[in-house]
Parts: sequence; structure tokens; C-alpha cells
Amino acid sequence: KAGVTQTPRYLIKTRGQQVTLSCSPISGHRSVSWYQQTPGQGLQFLFEYFSETQRNKGNFPGRFSGRQFSNSRSEMNVSTLELGDSALYLCASSYLGRPGPYEQYFGPGTRLTVT
Amino acid sequence: KNEVEQSPQNLTAQEGEFITINCSYSVGISALHWLQQHPGGGIVSLFMLSSGKKKHGRLIATINIQEKHSSLHITASHPRDSAVYICAVGGQFYFGTGTSLTVIP
Repeated sequence: KAGVTQTPRYLIKTRGQQVTLSCSPISGHRSVSWYQQTPGQGLQFLFEYFSETQRNKGNFPGRFSGRQFSNSRSEMNVSTLELGDSALYLCASSYLGRPGPYEQYFGPGTRLTVT
Repeated sequence: KNEVEQSPQNLTAQEGEFITINCSYSVGISALHWLQQHPGGGIVSLFMLSSGKKKHGRLIATINIQEKHSSLHITASHPRDSAVYICAVGGQFYFGTGTSLTVIP
């Protein structure tokens, strides 16, 4: 099976702009989670989508939003970009076909630089 | 307050040494994850633990649910083990700050 893919891999934006990042999960995986990683804060949970519904949300401002499509692909959007949004954005997918803890499979990430 | 504490933050070892990375957490969990991140960013899930011990090659992970503590051991360390190791707990993942491991030939 192909792994989790994220596009684009690198992105440079200017303050005030908006950006959309895309994530394609492993085939058959229905849950997609998004994470932000910065040198100062480390890894932080953004949100999780399952069957096109946001199930959980981390402690991020409303400028950060996402959605999931019927084919489980997901996008996240950041509006009115700030310098502090420069980070590696990681997407992870999991199967969630049974109860209990589940393993997540991470994509390579999108490195966003805001200037 | 950090829900997940990892130690040490940085670790340098000689090739062949036995390595231990520790993780303590304060939240209730159903599972704990050990992740590996190489330079460049990609994250690989090494272990998912609910109890006891798991082994994969030279890597061993243990967890003590009562003490809310987990350890990741690397036996016979190799330069290719050089990476950041991250402990994560909770359904939405509370993350440790990571342990940066460098193994010197």
C-alpha cells in the first residue's frame, strides 16, 4: 500500500496570506489527524477527522481549519498567516475499524515558511 | 504543565552502547506510542503499548501503567539509530519534547 502523502512538501508564504495543505491517507484509513511541529513547541495536535466529521480539535485559533472529503482525503487551511505559523505540518492516518487504541501512520510533512 | 515528560533531552552514545530513554505521563491513557523522527521530518511509529513489553529487533519498549512510566531501550546502538525519539500518549496525542540521540561510530 502506498503511504500517507502530503502536498506540497515545501511552501513559502507571506504574512496575511492563506494556505491550504493536502493529505491523502493510506487506502482504507478513515481517520486523518493533523499536527504542527515547531522547534519551540514541539509536536502539537491540531484536529482529527473521521468520516468527514471533525471529532477532536486541539488548542489552536480559528484561523486553523480543516475538512475531510468522502474519499478520506483531508485538507487543512490556515488563514491570515502569521510568522509564528512557520512550522512542519504533519498528517497521520489510521484505520479505526475496531475499538481500542490505534496506530497512526505519518506523512512526510509540509514545511511552511511564512515571511 | 506538561502532560508528558521525557528524559534525557539529548543523548550521545558510542556505537554498541545500550541506550535507555524514559517517558513519564500524567494523563490517563489507553496506549502509549514511541515515535522516531529522522532529520528531514518523517515520523515513524515504533511501538504502541498498552501494557507490558514489546520488542522489535534491537528496540525494546516497556510500560508500567500504575507508575505512568515507559522506557525505550536500544541494544547494540548503531549510527543509523541517530534520530529524535518522541513519546506520545492519549487519543489525541500529548507529546513529549523528544530525545535527540546521536550514536557515534
